[in-house]
Amino acid sequence: EPEVTQTPSHQVTQMGQEVILRCVPISNHLYFYWYRQILGQKVEFLVSFYNNEISEKSEIFDDQFSVERPDGSNFTLKIRSTKLEDSAMYFCASAKQGLFNYEQYFGPGTRLTVT
Amino acid sequence: AQSVAQPEDQVNVAEGNPLTVKCTYSVSGNPYLFWYVQYPNRGLQFLLKYITGDNLVKGSYGFEAEFNKSQTSFHLKKPSALVSDSALYFCAVRDKSNTDKLIFGTGTRLQVFP
Repeated sequence: EPEVTQTPSHQVTQMGQEVILRCVPISNHLYFYWYRQILGQKVEFLVSFYNNEISEKSEIFDDQFSVERPDGSNFTLKIRSTKLEDSAMYFCASAKQGLFNYEQYFGPGTRLTVT
Repeated sequence: AQSVAQPEDQVNVAEGNPLTVKCTYSVSGNPYLFWYVQYPNRGLQFLLKYITGDNLVKGSYGFEAEFNKSQTSFHLKKPSALVSDSALYFCAVRDKSNTDKLIFGTGTRLQVFP
């Protein structure tokens, strides 16, 4: 069964450094998302992406964040200058869309640790 | 604004007993509701959804959920719990914007004891 994959599984970086988190969505899906989960807290929406542009973003998704689908298969989240509070598990998700195909399929996550 | 509430941080149940994980929602219009499960060090796995139709929805691993409009609830149920069902369960509602962002509850940890 097709899965969403994410790399790396764990990323440690120093405050102020740039990180890129990578995701490969399910191949016939058209809608892509990033969520994050700070340790012990609920999963929060960051951004959605469709037709090569951002559809919606949360207030968390400020100018330090950007997303890209560089080659038609990968979907990346970049944090330009990481802060301690960016430490979290970042989940990529994709969805086929359609009348009854709303469910989003999540990757295993990338744990980002900012020191 | 759309929201879901999971009133229990943890649910404990003995193996073989029925389990219920509670979720209530607050939406304008018709809700699109989902349950996801998160095993330790793993991502979120889709269990089931309610979009329309039959109020009793069946999903993966023997789970089901009942949509109750009058009580604005979407409780997750299983007739006979397994130790392997122990995990973190999230209820979610689809936002009503043009995109389909999911709004998650705070999660309920299910512990099934042998």
